[in-house]
Amino acid sequence: QVQLQESGPGLVKPSETLSLTCSVSGASFISHGYYWSWIRQHPGKGLEWIGYIYYSGSTFYNPSLKSRVTLSVDTSKNQFSLKLSSVTAADTAVYYCVRYYDNDGYRYFDYWGQGALVTVSS
Amino acid sequence: DVVMTQTPLSLSVTPGQPASISCKSSQSLLHSDGRTFMYWYLQKPGQPPQLLIYEVSNRFSGVPDRFSGSGSGTDFTLKISRVEAEDVGVYYCMQSIQNPHTFGGGTKVEIK
Repeated sequence: QVQLQESGPGLVKPSETLSLTCSVSGASFISHGYYWSWIRQHPGKGLEWIGYIYYSGSTFYNPSLKSRVTLSVDTSKNQFSLKLSSVTAADTAVYYCVRYYDNDGYRYFDYWGQGALVTVSS
Repeated sequence: DVVMTQTPLSLSVTPGQPASISCKSSQSLLHSDGRTFMYWYLQKPGQPPQLLIYEVSNRFSGVPDRFSGSGSGTDFTLKISRVEAEDVGVYYCMQSIQNPHTFGGGTKVEIK
């Protein structure tokens, strides 16, 4: 069973950097066609794709956040991470790590972590 | 960005009755390879979203056959043939033909 689990501080001060890590189990992190993603959900609102990273380190970001986002992978630990710089209250959200499958013409977000609420406040 | 517009915003359904949700995209989701990158997700209360339907009409593993998707181009529909209590939550459509992937605003389904 594929499982993803987010971890990191639940409270970040304005202008600082939000950092989250996702630990993956039950799946080969370096399998062809799997991208490791972050999606966020503002309180009571819809879903916003942040970006994804391949095990090789190739990244794809949402242009609206690209200037502030950095994704990285640690294949030895089956983990990938999100850093979002210069945060404001508008970055308060539940952050999900999600597996994205893109192979053989198929593409979809299939497995999601339970989500981590990050609040930006002084 | 591709804008996904869902209607209605909310739906109250009697158990055993059908339900239908519409999603319209601001541009065609038909890829040059013939596939259409349109998806439906359900977010049950207190849970992350779960994939129901991929590429318009394909049910993901374990999804009951009372869920069906249809449509083409820019107009899509999710139908639940007989709503059950466990179907409550917010339904989202999503496109992945173009980055950034974008989601509809959601349709909240509740039981009468």
